[in-house]
Amino acid sequence: RKEVEQDPGPFNVPEGATVAFNCTYSNSASQSFFWYRQDCRKEPKLLMSVYSSGNEDGRFTAQLNRASQYISLLIRDSKLSDSATYLCVVVNQAGTALIFGKGTTLSVSS
Amino acid sequence: ETGVTQSPTHLIKTRGQQVTLRCSSQSGHNTVSWYQQALGQGPQFIFQYYREEENGRGNFPPRFSGLQFPNYSSELNVNALELDDSALYLCATLGRGERVDTGELFFGEGSRLTVL
Repeated sequence: RKEVEQDPGPFNVPEGATVAFNCTYSNSASQSFFWYRQDCRKEPKLLMSVYSSGNEDGRFTAQLNRASQYISLLIRDSKLSDSATYLCVVVNQAGTALIFGKGTTLSVSS
Repeated sequence: ETGVTQSPTHLIKTRGQQVTLRCSSQSGHNTVSWYQQALGQGPQFIFQYYREEENGRGNFPPRFSGLQFPNYSSELNVNALELDDSALYLCATLGRGERVDTGELFFGEGSRLTVL
């Protein structure tokens, strides 16, 4: 089983839509979780951290369910500029590395 | 602008050759990690250096090696290149006192290696 699994998509949505991405992780001892965004042929950039209590940043909401080992990202009122690949990330047990999922591709159209 | 610079941006090698990729970062970023991102995949951790010593390694063979210099710049060396080594190689740095679990890794734009 892969350490971090995501639905690769692609998700094709119109502007203004709400879209949700899901991710599962295999190591129940994992402590730190993130969503990164990667534009085509660019480097990954931190989008937001994920907490059990939830984390909201404008149109973006991230949630962690430790019991189910499940991480989600909700994007409301999608914009054209949201088109990118969204990477689910877990920190390894040694705390030395990020473990990335394959990424979920989002395409927002007008 | 992350302040992390990688070179070269693109290169083409043939199977069996050796390659050196370089990374420089902002002053004080004394932890550097290297990741390999194959097409359609997420980045995979190769190794991390802190104060010129390797202090973490992913599931990569010994022909992947690295160096970190006193000025905190870094190199990734890959020997005996294979076709599957074709990928984007990303360097990421952490500021002094920062930890990976804060997520504040600064990635460079990467070096895209093609092995023919």
